[in-house]
Formats: sequence, C-alpha cells, structure tokens
Amino acid sequence: NAGVMQNPRHLVRRRGQEARLRCSPMKGHSHVYWYRQLPEEGLKFMVYLQKENIIDESGMPKERFSAEFPKEGPSILRIQQVVRGDSAAYFCASSPVSGGANYGYTFGSGTRLTVV
Amino acid sequence: GQQLNQSPQSMFIQEGEDVSMNCTSSSIFNTWLWYKQDPGEGPVLLIALYKAGELTSNGRLTAQFGITRKDSFLNISASIPSDVGIYFCAGQTGANSKLTFGKGITLSVRP
Repeated sequence: NAGVMQNPRHLVRRRGQEARLRCSPMKGHSHVYWYRQLPEEGLKFMVYLQKENIIDESGMPKERFSAEFPKEGPSILRIQQVVRGDSAAYFCASSPVSGGANYGYTFGSGTRLTVV
Repeated sequence: GQQLNQSPQSMFIQEGEDVSMNCTSSSIFNTWLWYKQDPGEGPVLLIALYKAGELTSNGRLTAQFGITRKDSFLNISASIPSDVGIYFCAGQTGANSKLTFGKGITLSVRP
C-alpha cells in the first residue's frame, strides 16, 4: 500500500519559470492538503482540496500560486513566475475523510524547490 | 493568526536519558498532534490527542493534551540514537482540516 507520492523530489527553476509539483494521495484517500516549509520553520498550511473542489485556500498566496485535484490524476500545485522566496520544501498530505488529522493525516516526502 | 510555541530550538541529551518537550498556544485547539521529521523526509505522526487531559503512550513516547486545551507535552523515555530528528507539535481546531505547526525542536542524542 503505497504512501503519499510526491514528485519530483527536487526541482530547480530559474526566476520567472513555472514550477509544477505533483501529489498522488494514498489509495482510498480523497482529501489532499498542501503545506510549505521554509528552512528551520514549521509547516505552513496552503490549501485543502477534495476531488475537483478547493475547500480551503486560506494559506495560498494571492498571486502566482494555484492548486487543483482533478477527477483523474494527481493533485498539482502550480507556481508561476517563481521568485527566490518560493524556494522551500512543499509537502502534500492526504486523508480518507475530512477532519484530516483525526483519521490519519499522512504526509509525503516533499518536493524541494530551489529557485536560482 | 494562530501560533504554536516550541522552545528551545535545540536539545542535546545523552543516550538513555529521558526528555520532555512542551508546546503552548494562545489559542484553543481541539486536537493536538506530535510529529517527527527526519532530514529530507516528510513529518511522521507519532501521537494524536483528542480530549483535554488525555494522556496517551506509544512505546517510549508519552504525550498529554493540556486541560486548558492550550498546551501539550511530549516525553521520550530512554532515548536512543534513532530518536534524533525534529519534533513538531501541531494543533487542529476541528472546524476545518488544516494543521497549525510549531517551529519544531531539533533533538540530538549523544551515544
């Protein structure tokens, strides 16, 4: 039973390029959460999605960032026109039902984005 | 916004010693969780606490959900080298699913 799969593990982008981060939830999980971790910081919530719906995007920057979780395929976190401050580890988590952590909130290994 | 406070930033202990970590908040949380993160990996859930006053154990780990719902502590007994890592507390209000994380405590264990 595979865990939450994120790819790529490492991503290098030049300033101004686009970054696309992918997350495949655990089998049977239909809720996906994205978090960002800056060096020596805790994880900060970005967005919570169910299949084809954004439930809570209160942690998403207003510009350049978007997320989707289509009916088929992985969840995608998209960062347009990346800047150096976007360099961070981005983690995805999934859960089988809402109220995430109460039912087992499983994190992936993350994508480490470096903007040069 | 909501914030969880963990201090100190780093702790150094001798193998075999016990260690205790606190987490405090100015806000109430309905669920408290403790995670461990190894370098280059995502956080792994250690213990989840759902009721104020609850004391829960998982092997050498014991955690308590504070009675005021504004704090929690994690104890690790008889530490071993593989306990090295970053320990995060996280809180959840229950109305939504997002977690609020502390900044973490980096634990080092001297053999």
